[in-house]
Amino acid sequence: EVQLEQSGGEVKKPGESLKISCKTSGYTFTSYWIAWVRQMPGKGLEWMGIVFPGDSDTRYSPSLQGQVSMSVDKSISTAYLHWRSLKASDTAIYFCARQGDYGVAFDYWGQGTLVTVSS
Amino acid sequence: SSQLTQDPAVSVALGQTVRLTCQGDSLRSYYANWYQQKPGQAPVLVLFGKNIRPSGIPDRFSGSRSGNTASLTISGAQAEDEADYYCNSRDTSGDIWLFGGGTKLTVL
Repeated sequence: EVQLEQSGGEVKKPGESLKISCKTSGYTFTSYWIAWVRQMPGKGLEWMGIVFPGDSDTRYSPSLQGQVSMSVDKSISTAYLHWRSLKASDTAIYFCARQGDYGVAFDYWGQGTLVTVSS
Repeated sequence: SSQLTQDPAVSVALGQTVRLTCQGDSLRSYYANWYQQKPGQAPVLVLFGKNIRPSGIPDRFSGSRSGNTASLTISGAQAEDEADYYCNSRDTSGDIWLFGGGTKLTVL
């Protein structure tokens, strides 16, 4: 059974760094892209970027380029989303999702991680 | 520009048929995928590619495409179909992905 298990909610201050995780199981981690999707409070889904665990190739949304980074640890089948310096506007729920067969759609999703940035 | 446009809100009477639409230039090249999201939950893929339903999705969900517009049709809407629905596809470059703004479906 394919599963994506995300790390727990975080409360951080502006300027702090953060790394959240997405631990996968039930499939070959290195064969499928992992996307990160943001959902700001009361708003819709926003694609942030995508990483291929096989070679760590990444693509970022032009609107978020440089604000976040994505990485993987193949040894533990886990993808990460990093911030160097959080802003209050980063407050959102962050989902990881697997890009499925043939790269057509996001077929499995994590449960989401709520990140709250407040002074 | 690369974007997908959805109606913000649609309502349907219980048991009736409703069509949700998604417009965008990228849909001339790529099929739309559709996700259902209920409050406090992660999105769930309900339709992808050329009208393909993942395992467990009822056959009352179907899709179509014409020009730059994709549609998700729910035939005989049920109370449990009340949710936000998002369309999604690659942009025209193929390198990045887009989501529509979402449609809030109310089942009356």
